[in-house]
Amino acid sequence: DTGVSQDPRHKITKRGQNVTFRCDPISEHNRLYWYRQTLGQGPEFLTYFQNEAQLEKSRLLSDRFSAERPKGSFSTLEIQRTEQGDSAMYLCASSLNANTEAFFGQGTRLTVV
Amino acid sequence: GNSVTQMEGPVTLSEEAFLTINCTYTATGYPSLFWYVQYPGEGLQLLLKATKADDKGSNKGFEATYRKETTSFHLEKGSVQVSDSAVYFCALSYGSSNTGKLIFGQGTTLQVKP
Repeated sequence: DTGVSQDPRHKITKRGQNVTFRCDPISEHNRLYWYRQTLGQGPEFLTYFQNEAQLEKSRLLSDRFSAERPKGSFSTLEIQRTEQGDSAMYLCASSLNANTEAFFGQGTRLTVV
Repeated sequence: GNSVTQMEGPVTLSEEAFLTINCTYTATGYPSLFWYVQYPGEGLQLLLKATKADDKGSNKGFEATYRKETTSFHLEKGSVQVSDSAVYFCALSYGSSNTGKLIFGQGTTLQVKP
């Protein structure tokens, strides 16, 4: 068990470009969560999956954001037409089921220039 | 709406000092409460949790008691070490049915000096 893995760890992109992040949860974890964390703040919930089904999306997740978990294993978070305000740490977490501990990855730090 | 408020940091202590980090919450219903810790260069780790009123969570010498009457979940440790230097986040979840969907406080940085 290698924990929750996120790739890349760092991404610098120009405003207007699209970016995609990947999250590999702990094996057999049914639930997968995405969070965003800006400097000096706590993580903010974005969305979560139960297996391949996306069950909830926060109002923070604008139309430019899309997340998928096609086979109920890894997940991707795509941001289209990036803006400077998208610069943040994007965190992924997974849990075995609905009422067990969530384990977090180390995050992907996005910088939009 | 639901929210979590933590005391502002940074908190700077000498080794072996007593630590308290205050956390209060606003929530409807009966949330579960958590403390997560983030060491430099690492991901968030669950430190302790409590799922109902008067429960005490404890781990690695840290403790926190779920106080419904004061809507608080203060983190305490009797004697801190340099290795405890990290950012601490208080969080709540919407009851025990979705413990990965969390509302976090803004975090409190703890620096322990030798």
